[in-house]
Amino acid sequence: DIQMTQSPSSLSASVGDRVTITCRASQTISTFLNWYQQKPGKAPKLLIYAASSLQSGVPSRFSGSGSGTDFTLTISSLQPEDFATYYCQQSYITPRTFGQGTKVEIK
Amino acid sequence: QVQLVQSGAEVKKPGASVKVSCKASGYTFTTYVMHWVRQAPGQRFEWMGWIDAGNGNTKYSQKFQGRFTITRDTSATTAYMELSSLRSEDTAVYYCARDGSGSYNQYWGQGTLVTVSS
Repeated sequence: DIQMTQSPSSLSASVGDRVTITCRASQTISTFLNWYQQKPGKAPKLLIYAASSLQSGVPSRFSGSGSGTDFTLTISSLQPEDFATYYCQQSYITPRTFGQGTKVEIK
Repeated sequence: QVQLVQSGAEVKKPGASVKVSCKASGYTFTTYVMHWVRQAPGQRFEWMGWIDAGNGNTKYSQKFQGRFTITRDTSATTAYMELSSLRSEDTAVYYCARDGSGSYNQYWGQGTLVTVSS
């Protein structure tokens, strides 16, 4: 199975901060990398697919980049509603595997 | 709009089986694959398998092979997952999820908590 490793596991940030989360795959996955946001008690919400494509309806402050094994999710200016846990997922091969999550908390 | 509505929470004893449903609406059910994913407390998401709602073909994670089954009822536009020989480690929230136009889970059910406890 492809292992997905996110960093950091958690971070504290203030409203307006630029936040960057990284995700590394244990082998190349081209751009088959997706990002999800999850809030407590809710299902995940798709933010970015195919490494850099913004899902319809998602604010443009979210962006994704990368290919191969290294990927990044950036929130350009953190908003109060962005405090949540973020997960990467590879969909290059099954089983589709997820990162362990990055919890973004209020500083 | 696309909606996936799952059945309610379940409490099961070790060794029992559980069957969770996922009622789809707002799109042509047989056009898409339906995935099942679970999230145990404090754990990362775990992909379990998918079913092609059109032809019924399935693919399972090796981890669950043998005790996990996905089925669908096209007339009811509903997908089902059944997990047998339950153990405490199967306590988790189980989600159905449909892909978008590519390989990404665009739509998710609300989740079903399955608790395995004696």
